[in-house]
Amino acid sequence: DTAVSQTPKYLVTQMGNDKSIKCEQNLGHDTMYWYKQDSKKFLKIMFSYNNKELIINETVPNRFSPKSPDKAHLNLHINSLELGDSAVYFCASSHVRSGANVLTFGAGSRLTVL
Amino acid sequence: DQQVKQNSPSLSVQEGRISILNCDYTNSMFDYFLWYKKYPAEGPTFLISISSIKDKNEDGRFTVFLNKSAKHLSLHIVPSQPGDSAVYFCAAHSGAGSYQLTFGKGTKLSVIP
Repeated sequence: DTAVSQTPKYLVTQMGNDKSIKCEQNLGHDTMYWYKQDSKKFLKIMFSYNNKELIINETVPNRFSPKSPDKAHLNLHINSLELGDSAVYFCASSHVRSGANVLTFGAGSRLTVL
Repeated sequence: DQQVKQNSPSLSVQEGRISILNCDYTNSMFDYFLWYKKYPAEGPTFLISISSIKDKNEDGRFTVFLNKSAKHLSLHIVPSQPGDSAVYFCAAHSGAGSYQLTFGKGTKLSVIP
């Protein structure tokens, strides 16, 4: 009964390919996110959606396109994969607790581009 | 430009002792601070938070202290247990409910039995 589930957990692919990562949350949260954790271990926000509307769009190449068909789902599609896209991608959803924006993360999807 | 800094990449502590994880921030607009714990091959999980109107928040074995003048916060774990071995991330945002959360690089805590 996972709160935030993302698939696949591991993805190995060749440069130039297109791939997607899917994310679903059953917490009833209105806001969902994609974060990237690169080799330097920083967790950086890429996108955020609130009730299917894009609210945060950080400086990310156009090859990355998020899609939110409903507020429980946020998918990430990546075109023309490059070596530098290799990272762990975390999906998250959030609620506010005493003013703090508390994120619940999925287990991550490790993308390796060869 | 790291706005949230965790300068110790790792920390080792004996079981039963206190673990102190430190975090510094540069953005004076930050007013909510959170700590997350991350096990290998899992996503970060929320531990505890504090707002800038407080200087201490406690939840069981976990206490977070905030020193606004020094732009410094710390997470104390007492007593430390082997299951606490994980990477701990400090995070911050400005404004209640703000979606823009900034994370530190993490500190790997090892609790030795």
